[in-house]
Amino acid sequence: QVQLVESGGGVVQPGRSLRLSCAASGFTFSRYTIHWVRQAPGKGLDWVAVVSYDGSHRNYADSVKGRITISRDNSKNTLYLQMNSLRPEDTAVYYCARDGGGTILPGYQDYSFDLWGQGTLVTVSS
Amino acid sequence: QSALTQPASVSGSPGQSITIPCTGTSSDVGSYNLVSWYQQNPGKAPKLMIYEVTKRPSGVSYRFSGSKSGNTASLTISGLQAEDEADYYCCSYAGGSTLVFGGGTKLTVL
Repeated sequence: QVQLVESGGGVVQPGRSLRLSCAASGFTFSRYTIHWVRQAPGKGLDWVAVVSYDGSHRNYADSVKGRITISRDNSKNTLYLQMNSLRPEDTAVYYCARDGGGTILPGYQDYSFDLWGQGTLVTVSS
Repeated sequence: QSALTQPASVSGSPGQSITIPCTGTSSDVGSYNLVSWYQQNPGKAPKLMIYEVTKRPSGVSYRFSGSKSGNTASLTISGLQAEDEADYYCCSYAGGSTLVFGGGTKLTVL
């Protein structure tokens, strides 16, 4: 079954850290660029970060730059999001999402999200 | 990285057509044919409906179509059905490996 499954969410105090994971199955994980997208309660979607198919290139939204690190382990078919210095405004459901371009060619990006996980909720509160 | 602009809500009756605009700038929507659209039902993950402005993924109804003119992309749903009621989001490549979403539009089928 082709899927992405996030884990690692929970309640954390402001200033603390949390690491999210996204386990991929049913497809060749190493072909695809993967993103993190978040959604605050009752709000819209917000792009967070991207990592290239081989992990060599990463980029971040300005709102999280310097506090969040995206990484992947292709041998484990797993994506990670290390979140430090968490703020209440980071409270959201965090989704991992696959860039559809890898279906055409390994590493190719069409900057659309053709496969999403179910999301994991991060709540930053004292 | 300012959000793309979408109307907060649109509505239509069954069988009608509706269009949801998504306005960006010359740095995102206007510069790249890399606009995608997502449908999201309550409590669910988003679903890809349109990519690269006009392309429809396998399994998405032909009633969904996309277009772009200048800095504004649009999603059109024809033959509106009750099951189309959901939130819709546009997304555009914004250069430098970054993406930006619209604020979302709630579609109500009357």
